[in-house]
Amino acid sequence: SQQGEEDPQALSIQEGENATMNCSYKTSINNLQWYRQNSGRGLVHLILIRSNEREKHSGRLRVTLDTSKKSSSLLITASRAADTASYFCATDDYKLIFGSGTRLLVRP
Amino acid sequence: DAGVIQSPRHEVTEMGQEVTLRCKPISGHDYLFWYRQTMMRGLELLIYFNNNVPIDDSGMPEDRFSAKMPNASFSTLKIQPSEPRDSAVYFCASTWTGVGSPLHFGNGTRLTVT
Repeated sequence: SQQGEEDPQALSIQEGENATMNCSYKTSINNLQWYRQNSGRGLVHLILIRSNEREKHSGRLRVTLDTSKKSSSLLITASRAADTASYFCATDDYKLIFGSGTRLLVRP
Repeated sequence: DAGVIQSPRHEVTEMGQEVTLRCKPISGHDYLFWYRQTMMRGLELLIYFNNNVPIDDSGMPEDRFSAKMPNASFSTLKIQPSEPRDSAVYFCASTWTGVGSPLHFGNGTRLTVT
């Protein structure tokens, strides 16, 4: 198992803008997952992208994966105040290891 | 589905006391995980079980920590004796067999050791 590392550590944007977060990892993977954590709550699974996929969409979420660069990005389009949360990536097998996350603040 | 249920939501105890955190995974899930989250160290995996058997406890900080899963619907994480540095939010999560199966997290137990 390995740890995904998110970047930036914190991001502050205006409502309606897009938010992009990045994740880097070290070794080959089968899949990569993104999670959201609202303050005082547990993590919630957002989306999974497999190693043979380059891009995946779910509602306002767009995830890309570049296995050659060992990186992934999460794009939230038309952000809302309710998107304010921390976002984490995690890779692969059952022993999911999470990075420190990106703290996103969406200002109304 | 009620989701992963953890109890208590908050626990305040004095140093040296025994603390027991409880978790009920989602019915049908065969993997259960215990994580600890602090500002300094982020989200740490402590231990995980498959079919009630501990698979990897390498994240358990020391012998003061122990975890059990006596059946498929219940797990405990015990700290004895507790220390102030154990203060953190402890999360339980569960999932089912399958590559990339998403983890379902409980809302955590916030532990404060004074």
